[in-house]
Formats: sequence, structure tokens, C-alpha cells
Amino acid sequence: DTGVSQDPRHKITKRGQNVTFRCDPISEHNRLYWYRQTLGQGPEFLTYFQNEAQLEKSRLLSDRFSAERPKGSFSTLEIQRTEQGDSAMYLCASSPQAYGDEQFFGPGTRLTVL
Amino acid sequence: AQSVTQLGSHVSVSEGALVLLRCNYSSSVPPYLFWYVQYPNQGLQLLLKYTTGATLVKGINGFEAEFKKSETSFHLTKPSAHMSDAAEYFCAVSGPNTGNQFYFGTGTSLTVIP
Repeated sequence: DTGVSQDPRHKITKRGQNVTFRCDPISEHNRLYWYRQTLGQGPEFLTYFQNEAQLEKSRLLSDRFSAERPKGSFSTLEIQRTEQGDSAMYLCASSPQAYGDEQFFGPGTRLTVL
Repeated sequence: AQSVTQLGSHVSVSEGALVLLRCNYSSSVPPYLFWYVQYPNQGLQLLLKYTTGATLVKGINGFEAEFKKSETSFHLTKPSAHMSDAAEYFCAVSGPNTGNQFYFGTGTSLTVIP
């Protein structure tokens, strides 16, 4: 399968715990994106990478959030000291280099913070 | 700044009836426009996109959309709704000055009545 994969699909954690999500993009795609989607809303941009470089971060991405893409392949998104407001679907997407290219989305990781 | 407005968070149509989902955008430069569909507990799937050229674009599953610059609109249509079209639909905009980041609307939930 050459689609975008995300792991885990579901994560339930207690407030204050740290969580880490993984995204494996389509192998030949240089760009990788993280979005957050809450109920009844469209996805909101968090950050994106071109190869291993993190080029942009949204103001939504507080200091408790960190993302990495070592070697320009898979990416991880870590949330430290989770809060109930972090409960959401976290979506990963990848795209080729060119502007105007569609983004290919993974199935998402649904985070529930108790 | 880029933004997307989807009028009507919920749309209901009878099976076989015309589907019309509205999307208006604001952009300071010519945009790239996309429609995605999201089925429950799944990621987003591209229906169609407009980058340049012909303003009427055809997508998968019989959907099409027309880019109207004068109206800053990119409405999605399908002549005859099927039960399988029931899903959440998102309009998105990006452009050369956004780092290819997508700005999504809040989505329209389509219900198809048998």
C-alpha cells in the first residue's frame, strides 16, 4: 500500500500525560503536513516539513507540541502535558514538491484526553 | 490571507436529486481550490481540484465544480445523488504564498434521503 499511514489510530490518555503520534507519508513526497480537526470543523494547519526541514508552524502549535521528521521520511508529533482541549483528530498529509498538488491524507489519529 | 466559507453546514437531498454544495473563498492571489470528501472515521479523499486552465473541473464519483473568479466561488455539484454520497465535504484553498498550506472550510454534511 502506498498511501499515508498513521499510528496509532486511537489514543486515550489522561490529562498531563505525554503522547506521540507517527505518520508515514507516501515515499516519494517531499512535503509532510500535520493538521488538527475538532468535531464540526475543518482541518486546521499545525505545521509542515519539506524533507527534514520544518518550514512553518501555526500559532495553534503551542510549546507543548513538537514535531520532527528525521531524515525526511516519517514524522512524529508529540504533545507534552496533554490537556482536555487537545482532544481532536490529528491528520497527517503528504504532497509532492509542486504548488497546486493535492495533499494525500492519512486516516488520522483520534486523541481523547480524559 | 486565505479563507474559505462553506454556506450550509448540513444539506439534505433526495436520492436522484441535484447536489449543490457551496464554497466561497477569499484570496489575494489566484488560488488553487480543492474539494475533499470525508467518510466517518476515515481521512480526507480528493474529489477534484482547480489550479489553472478550464474553470469547470470534473472529479470522481460524478462530481464537478466550477471556478468563478468574479464570484470568488467554487461550488460543488452532482446531477443525481446516490446514497453512497452521504458524507462530510470540505472545500480548501491554497496558493503560492501559503507554503502550499491548505485552508479548509468548516465542512458540509450531506444527507441523502431514500
